Amino acid sequence: TQLLEQSPQFLSIQEGENLTVYCNSSSVFSSLQWYRQEPGEGPVLLVTVVTGGEVKKLKRLTFQFGDARKDSSLHITAAQPGDTGLYLCAGANSGNTPLVFGKGTRLSVIA
Amino acid sequence: DTEVTQTPKHLVMGMTNKKSLKCEQHMGHRAMYWYKQKAKKPPELMFVYSYEKLSINESVPSRFSPECPNSSLLNLHLHALQPEDSALYLCASRPEGLREQFFGPGTRLTVL
Repeated sequence: TQLLEQSPQFLSIQEGENLTVYCNSSSVFSSLQWYRQEPGEGPVLLVTVVTGGEVKKLKRLTFQFGDARKDSSLHITAAQPGDTGLYLCAGANSGNTPLVFGKGTRLSVIA
Repeated sequence: DTEVTQTPKHLVMGMTNKKSLKCEQHMGHRAMYWYKQKAKKPPELMFVYSYEKLSINESVPSRFSPECPNSSLLNLHLHALQPEDSALYLCASRPEGLREQFFGPGTRLTVL
């Protein structure tokens, strides 16, 4: 069974601070997705990383896929209250095999 | 149309009721999914449909009955649910050849 360990589970920071969320596994994934979910809403896809060592930037968010495709990180620079939410990483393999979700990181950015 | 829609947004039902959740997408995605999400937990996969055929059932109790009438629609029929079935039910779809799933906004279900 593939598992994704996500850390930290909870994070409360002041506006303007930087933070990093980690997603680690002992298994290789063909790709990894990051989602953000707000209370009572569905997860919204932020990014997919596919190639080992890949780095993708989305405004103040930087996503990295480990060289061995077993881990990923999400770094947010100068966090804003609008970044508040549940961040989920999800590992994917081929076809219809289910996504493997991490347990999520609940981020609260205080103004 | 680039989104997955779900209706209703909220549903309250008794344990003897029969109700249905509806999911729709017009992006031509041929893989569609039902997930259940409890508070402060990640989504848990329930069912996967591929080309309108059920391909994965994650040992879901028979009181949940999925249906895929066509390539754009996915239903989840509910009957004789228990209070512990109260959760956010999410639908997702996936484009052919890609691994990302696109989620709908969910139906918040409360079973009394």
